[in-house]
Amino acid sequence: GAGVSQTPSNKVTEKGKYVELRCDPISGHTALYWYRQSLGQGPEFLIYFQGTGAADDSGLPNDRFFAVRPEGSVSTLKIQRTERGDSAVYLCASSPGTDLGYTFGSGTRLTVV
Amino acid sequence: GIQVEQSPPDLILQEGANSTLRCNFSDSVNNLQWFHQNPWGQLINLFYIPSGTKQNGRLSATTVATERYSLLYISSSQTTDSGVYFCATYSGAGSYQLTFGKGTKLSVIP
Repeated sequence: GAGVSQTPSNKVTEKGKYVELRCDPISGHTALYWYRQSLGQGPEFLIYFQGTGAADDSGLPNDRFFAVRPEGSVSTLKIQRTERGDSAVYLCASSPGTDLGYTFGSGTRLTVV
Repeated sequence: GIQVEQSPPDLILQEGANSTLRCNFSDSVNNLQWFHQNPWGQLINLFYIPSGTKQNGRLSATTVATERYSLLYISSSQTTDSGVYFCATYSGAGSYQLTFGKGTKLSVIP
């Protein structure tokens, strides 16, 4: 597509529930990144995919967080047993390569109540 | 990991004024990017500029990698320039984690 698409744009869930956040990168972009942004802060790295594989998942805060990119295009960030502290904007970005500029999606605002 | 510091943290401009935003980083970089986050939260890539100078309309950026800083120039500011400006670079050698500065919040008033 023309840009990075993220769905849903907003998600409200109850504490303890499971959520999935979807990212559809720019066609042909091999690198895909997930970041998390809390209010008043800069984005923080979560995970980076090169193709289908997670090349670096060291930013995932704990084992409740998991992400996949099975066909090297669309990626899904999965959060189990959500906690109120998971509330944030989750941003996805893609790039043609790691040494090039990123294009970010509009983000998914996750609120855990 | 690398430290990224931005200044000033806040800036208020009259429409039409010019400004310079600064980004200092603690180590050599090979991926330096400037982003604008508009009031609706969308992060827009302004420049990919690990070194040298680039211009795009009223915006330009210069990175002096040897002295570990980058500057973003905004000329003839408009109200639509309001938002937060972030610089970001990779966390270290072999890392593909972007480390963001805390941002400069720009408010352009008519």
